[in-house]
Amino acid sequence: ETGVTQSPTHLIKTRGQQVTLRCSSQSGHNTVSWYQQALGQGPQFIFQYYREEENGRGNFPPRFSGLQFPNYSSELNVNALELDDSALYLCASSLERGQGEKLFFGSGTQLSVL
Amino acid sequence: ELKVEQNPLFLSMQEGKNYTIYCNYSTTSDRLYWYRQDPGKSLESLFVLLSNGAVKQEGRLMASLDTKARLSTLHITAAVHDLSATYFCAVDTSRGGATNKLIFGTGTLLAVQP
Repeated sequence: ETGVTQSPTHLIKTRGQQVTLRCSSQSGHNTVSWYQQALGQGPQFIFQYYREEENGRGNFPPRFSGLQFPNYSSELNVNALELDDSALYLCASSLERGQGEKLFFGSGTQLSVL
Repeated sequence: ELKVEQNPLFLSMQEGKNYTIYCNYSTTSDRLYWYRQDPGKSLESLFVLLSNGAVKQEGRLMASLDTKARLSTLHITAAVHDLSATYFCAVDTSRGGATNKLIFGTGTLLAVQP
């Protein structure tokens, strides 16, 4: 149990719709990162939020956006869903670099786009 | 672009045998992570390696890091069925800044046969 919770656990959407995924970070962690894991592949870095600001982004289009709230929880929003967006979305929380080296992953949200 | 390659991609082992998973990466990094993932589950942190020559052991698993060779290994000693899972290495691409942004390898699916 990592203390990182994600909701919902499963979600089915149709192409073109919008989706919001949520993540509550471990207590005291001010950084949240989001990863996309397609079936049979390693997770890919989407973006990271540190103290409510975006702090780095991977190779994902602008229709992937996020937010971090003052309590350090976070949302991942995906607009105009495509079939290839079907994946496990993982949230990870951590302390800032130099304060702790571990990332703690949540259980993920399995998104299916039909 | 940073690349992280693991080999083998699939490993079928007999219980009691030893084997090594290799993780090569293409650019300098001062942090390397090993994770375990069971089917349909999230990522479980195994090791964080922070310096050249670092070696960590937990039970039947031992991880090492050679930053000059850009190589990490995960050695399995006397495998048991419970070790069956997918193992990922991940390289931290952060440069200063706040936190960890990981690039994951392709994963090694380990199946331990009785």
